[in-house]
Amino acid sequence: GAVVSQHPSWVICKSGTSVKIECRSLDFQATTMFWYRQFPKQSLMLMATSNEGSKATYEQGVEKDKFLINHASLTLSTLTVTSAHPEDSSFYICSARDQGDGYTFGSGTRLTVV
Amino acid sequence: GENVEQHPSTLSVQEGDSAVIKCTYSDSASNYFPWYKQELGKGPQLIIDIRSNVGEKKDQRIAVTLNKTAKHFSLHITETQPEDSAVYFCAARGGTGRRALTFGSGTRLQVQP
Repeated sequence: GAVVSQHPSWVICKSGTSVKIECRSLDFQATTMFWYRQFPKQSLMLMATSNEGSKATYEQGVEKDKFLINHASLTLSTLTVTSAHPEDSSFYICSARDQGDGYTFGSGTRLTVV
Repeated sequence: GENVEQHPSTLSVQEGDSAVIKCTYSDSASNYFPWYKQELGKGPQLIIDIRSNVGEKKDQRIAVTLNKTAKHFSLHITETQPEDSAVYFCAARGGTGRRALTFGSGTRLQVQP
C-alpha cells in the first residue's frame, strides 16, 4: 500500500531556532499533501494544504511566515517551523492523497522547543 | 466549513464485547468518511472507510455504517481484543472543493482483558 515517510520522528531545539520536517511519498506521487498539528490528548488540526508547484493554503489562525511549507516535487513536502518557541511544541503529522483517493499519514514528528 | 463531532470520548469494554463509536458531520456534501486508529506517539492508521454511495461496509471484526439523511456514521468493533486499545478518530471530507479531512475529537478505547 501507499507509504508516507516522515522525518525526523522527534526533535528537540532551542527557542529561536528553526526546524525542518520532511514528508515523502515513497511509492506514489502526491500532488497534494496536508500538514496537521496535534496537541496532547487532542485531535488533529489541519494547518495547511500543500500543492506541488504552488503556494500552500493555510488555515485560519496559522501563521504562514512561521510555518513555511515547500512542496517542490511530487514526492516531497517540507514544513519548517521558524523561530520556534515553547508553545510550538507539538506533534506534527503530514498526510498525502494517495492513488486510491484515500489519505496516507506519516508517522509524525514530536517537536519539543526548550 | 465541515464540523465533525465524535462520542464517546472514552470507552471501556471487556475483552470479547463489542464497541461502538459514533460521529456526526455538518456538511451534507461530504462524501468520504474514514476511521483511523492512533497509538501513542504514532501517526493515524486507516482501519476502514466508507463513501457516500454506500450505507455499510465490513472488514472482519470492523464495520462502519453511514446514514446520509441523519448525517452520522458509526464504527462497530466486535469481539474486541486488548490490542484494539487505542485512540480512534473519525473524519469526513467535505464535498465542495476542500479536500482535506476534518477529524472528530477522538475516542480512547480501553479493552479490559
